[in-house]
Amino acid sequence: AQTVTQSQPEMSVQEAETVTLSCTYDTSESNYYLFWYKQPPSRQMILVIRQEAYKQQNATENRFSVNFQKAAKSFSLKISDSQLGDTAMYFCAFMKQPMDSNYQLIWGAGTKLIIKP
Amino acid sequence: GAGVSQSPRYKVAKRGQDVALRCDPISGHVSLFWYQQALGQGPEFLTYFQNEAQLDKSGLPSDRFFAERPEGSVSTLKIQRTQQEDSAVYLCASSLTDRGGSPLHFGNGTRLTVT
Repeated sequence: AQTVTQSQPEMSVQEAETVTLSCTYDTSESNYYLFWYKQPPSRQMILVIRQEAYKQQNATENRFSVNFQKAAKSFSLKISDSQLGDTAMYFCAFMKQPMDSNYQLIWGAGTKLIIKP
Repeated sequence: GAGVSQSPRYKVAKRGQDVALRCDPISGHVSLFWYQQALGQGPEFLTYFQNEAQLDKSGLPSDRFFAERPEGSVSTLKIQRTQQEDSAVYLCASSLTDRGGSPLHFGNGTRLTVT
């Protein structure tokens, strides 16, 4: 069974600093997808960034980038020039290549990120 | 609508009551998912629909939980004889296609409190 581990329950940084959130996962699959989602107090899960395992190039979306280490099964999220609006829970999630209509996302426990002014 | 809409936003039920939670996905989205999120934890998969077909209900915790999507758009998650352990946020998500990795769009969830 797949598992996702986020070892940092909470992190706090000053505005404009760079912060890295860690995520490791365990799977025997070779093709899969990895995601980072942000959940502000409004409770809505918002997709931050997505990585396809067969792509070696790390995904980037503006201030957000990932460090995907497939052999180490590591998928960290780097937020550059952090902003107050980045304050939220961040969840790492895994989806194996769907077969037999299995589209389950496996989620980590989340990291609470606080950006201080 | 512009996004996934869930109602009610908050629901308080007495133990033993039945509840129905509604999800209105983005128009045209094929896939619809229900997740349960306990306080301070990540979501847990409940069930998945492709149009009106419920293709995976392996995450439903008991036979008190039932979900439907009769016309392939709006979905309802029903919980019968609610128990305190059912207290959680119930998240609905939809995606345009049934292809793996297709981004999920989430609603704001329904927070269910069973007293």
